Amino acid sequence: QLQLQESGPGLVKSSETLSLTCTVSGGSISSSSYYWGWIRQPPGKGLEWIGSIYYTGSTYYSTSLKSRVTISVDTSKKQFSLKLTSVTAADTAVYYCARQRAYSSNLYIYPMDVWGQGTTVTVSS
Amino acid sequence: QSALTQPASVSGSPGQSITISCTGTSSDVGGYNYVSWYQQHPGKVPKLMIYEVTNRPSGVSSRFSGSKSGNTASLTISGLQAEDEADYYCSSYTSSSTLVFGTGTTVTVL
Repeated sequence: QLQLQESGPGLVKSSETLSLTCTVSGGSISSSSYYWGWIRQPPGKGLEWIGSIYYTGSTYYSTSLKSRVTISVDTSKKQFSLKLTSVTAADTAVYYCARQRAYSSNLYIYPMDVWGQGTTVTVSS
Repeated sequence: QSALTQPASVSGSPGQSITISCTGTSSDVGGYNYVSWYQQHPGKVPKLMIYEVTNRPSGVSSRFSGSKSGNTASLTISGLQAEDEADYYCSSYTSSSTLVFGTGTTVTVL
């Protein structure tokens, strides 16, 4: 049973960099059938896609966050990571990592079929 | 990229059918058959219910079905049950090679 676990600081100061890691267990991160993504949800609000990465390092990013986001992968550790720079209070959210399954052979931003439990990150001033 | 538009709330009685709409543009919903739907109970992790407009992942009840017409996708829940009370989000691939979620819909079982 594939499991994902987010880890990282729960409190980040305004203007600093938010760094989170997602550890994959019970399955391979290097499968050609999956991408790996980050999604966030501000308190009481909806879901927002941040970006996705393939095990080769190929990435896709949200247009609105692209200038501040970097997603990387370490296949030897079965981890992928998120860095978000210059954070503000608007970046306060529950951050989820997720597996994105390629249900078809066409390349697109695949749906998230397995999610981590989420980690709450608060940006303080 | 603006969020896809969903009604804030939809309600129905047990056993009834309800439909949640998800309206985008020709650059997202209307341009691709890559719409997904997620269910999220309060305080819980989202769950994939529909992918590629009409397909159900293994284990998802057949009471959930998806469709699309033009720039609007829809999720229908038939035989509404108390356990279906949750928030529902659509998502779509976009022409910018990004993913956009909908604004979310709260389903209430009366």
